[in-house]
Amino acid sequence: GNSVTQMEGPVTLSEEAFLTINCTYTATGYPSLFWYVQYPGEGLQLLLKATKADDKGSNKGFEATYRKETTSFHLEKGSVQVSDSAVYFCALSEKGAQKLVFGQGTRLTINP
Amino acid sequence: GAVVSQHPSRVICKSGTSVKIECRSLDFQATTMFWYRQFPKQSLMLMATSNEGSKATYEQGVEKDKFLINHASLTLSTLTVTSAHPEDSSFYICSAIPLSGIQDTQYFGPGTRLTVL
Repeated sequence: GNSVTQMEGPVTLSEEAFLTINCTYTATGYPSLFWYVQYPGEGLQLLLKATKADDKGSNKGFEATYRKETTSFHLEKGSVQVSDSAVYFCALSEKGAQKLVFGQGTRLTINP
Repeated sequence: GAVVSQHPSRVICKSGTSVKIECRSLDFQATTMFWYRQFPKQSLMLMATSNEGSKATYEQGVEKDKFLINHASLTLSTLTVTSAHPEDSSFYICSAIPLSGIQDTQYFGPGTRLTVL
């Protein structure tokens, strides 16, 4: 079945550091890929997505590229801020389906 | 736009009682809503897909008689945990897909923390 594996957390960085959160997936066909973010006390919000190979999703300085050859969708940001502290979830959905399969989540803490 | 609310945000109940959790799409209509369960430091596990005007579709291993789902209107789905037990304690999250717009984007509620004593 479909699955998503993301790097274990927690991840702690200093402000302005470079961020990478790894995400790999297993799926039949070519799924759509998503990154969701959950800020403390809030629901999940869509951060970015990509729907086909080599697509790059970007938002709020975050980027992720859909890599079919490595079945990966790593999240990156060049310079993190304290306000980026949250839990980040990688997810996929099969084409034509609406159900999401989530990774385990990675808690990110940014220190000033 | 695309705001989803849940009520209550937190509930504590005694073992054996039933608890109802509401999920509302505040500024859009949704024919499809989803219910997830999130254990501490773990991912979201899809419990069921709620379809307006029809029966919910449950994921394998989820007891439909224990977790009753009703999607009575295009803006409201409810999850009732019947005869709750301590092992049902968890964080329950709903999401909704707008009737119009991009069909692969889910909008999530803030979650409901259930504690069963």
